[in-house]
Amino acid sequence: QKEVEQDPGPLSVPEGAIVSLNCTYSNSAFQYFMWYRQYSRKGPELLMYTYSSGNKEDGRFTAQVDKSSKYISLFIRDSQPSDSATYLCAMSKNSNSGYALNFGKGTSLLVTP
Amino acid sequence: DTAVSQTPKYLVTQMGNDKSIKCEQNLGHDTMYWYKQDSKKFLKIMFSYNNKELIINETVPNRFSPKSPDKAHLNLHINSLELGDSAVYFCASSQDGQGYYGYTFGSGTRLTVV
Repeated sequence: QKEVEQDPGPLSVPEGAIVSLNCTYSNSAFQYFMWYRQYSRKGPELLMYTYSSGNKEDGRFTAQVDKSSKYISLFIRDSQPSDSATYLCAMSKNSNSGYALNFGKGTSLLVTP
Repeated sequence: DTAVSQTPKYLVTQMGNDKSIKCEQNLGHDTMYWYKQDSKKFLKIMFSYNNKELIINETVPNRFSPKSPDKAHLNLHINSLELGDSAVYFCASSQDGQGYYGYTFGSGTRLTVV
């Protein structure tokens, strides 16, 4: 079992819809949770960053972390065609010996006009 | 001005060749990484350097060797290329060795081995 699981989709929604993207994880040591957006043939870019449990809002984007369920979500309100991309969740432990982000496989999102 | 730049963007080469990919960051970050993204889009860590010191070395064939001449550069040399090495290789950097503030990625090097 991979440490981070993410449904690859694809997910297709009409413009204006609310989008819900999710990841589950198995390692309870994860403390830092991020969402990256990756457009085709580009590098991932950091979208949202959350430490431990709770919600964080930034414009149309809301990130939620539920550590008790080992479940994180990204909500996109009023989705736009420009939101069409692959969304990758990522998480890491607090380690003194160096660390690396563990990524989910990414969910491909298509927002149709 | 590109924050993390990789060269080349595309690389097509024959099996058995040796090739290098270069990465430079102008963000003043302390830590740099190499990730491999396979055809299924899965991003997997290969190496990490913090201030020129190797701190993460995942299970990667010995044919892959990173080199960090200074903290702004991290290059990847690959010997005896194999078909299975075909992937997109991403360089990234972070402000500190813990990556608390996330990574900044380059735009990737698409390697095709024929």
